[in-house]
Amino acid sequence: DIQLTQSPSFLSASVGDRVTITCRASQGISSYLAWYQQKPGKAPKLLIYAASTLQSGVPSRFSGSGSGTEFTLTISSLQPEDFATYYCQQLNSYPITFGQGTRLEIK
Amino acid sequence: EVQLVESGGGLVQPGGSLRLSCAASGFTFSSYSMNWVRQAPGKGLEWVSYISSSSSTIYYADSVKGRFTISRDNAKNSLYLQMNSLRAEDTAVYYCARTAANYYYYYMDVWGKGTTVTVSS
Repeated sequence: DIQLTQSPSFLSASVGDRVTITCRASQGISSYLAWYQQKPGKAPKLLIYAASTLQSGVPSRFSGSGSGTEFTLTISSLQPEDFATYYCQQLNSYPITFGQGTRLEIK
Repeated sequence: EVQLVESGGGLVQPGGSLRLSCAASGFTFSSYSMNWVRQAPGKGLEWVSYISSSSSTIYYADSVKGRFTISRDNAKNSLYLQMNSLRAEDTAVYYCARTAANYYYYYMDVWGKGTTVTVSS
């Protein structure tokens, strides 16, 4: 199985900050990676797929990059509604796996 | 409006069974592969099972293989998860999620709100 490791697991930041979350895969997954945002009590929401393609309707302050084993999600200027937990997901092979999550909180 | 609505969750004793349903609307259900994803209390997301649009391809996580069965009825626009031999560690919110594709890149673009399964005596 492909393991995904996110760092950091917890991030404290302020409105307006630029933040980056990293996701590392235990083996190469090309660009078969997606990012999701989840708020408490809500379902996950797709942000980015194919490592860098922004899902329709997602603000452009979100961006993704990487391929192979290392990927990043960047939020260019944090907004109050961005404080949530973020997950990466690999869809290169089954079983599909998720990273452990990065909880982004207000400083 | 594209929508997925799960139902069938509840409290069940260890060793018991439960059948979850996911009703799809607002899109051509028969054209999409579907998944079940779960989240234990306070934990991260765990993919559970996948079924292709025609039911010809099915995958399970090792943690549920042999105990859970995924199925679908395209005529009823519905996805199902039959869960047998339930264990305490199966306690979670269960989400159904649609698989979409752009060229060869897949992703889960539509999620239901989830249904809660609690396995406890």
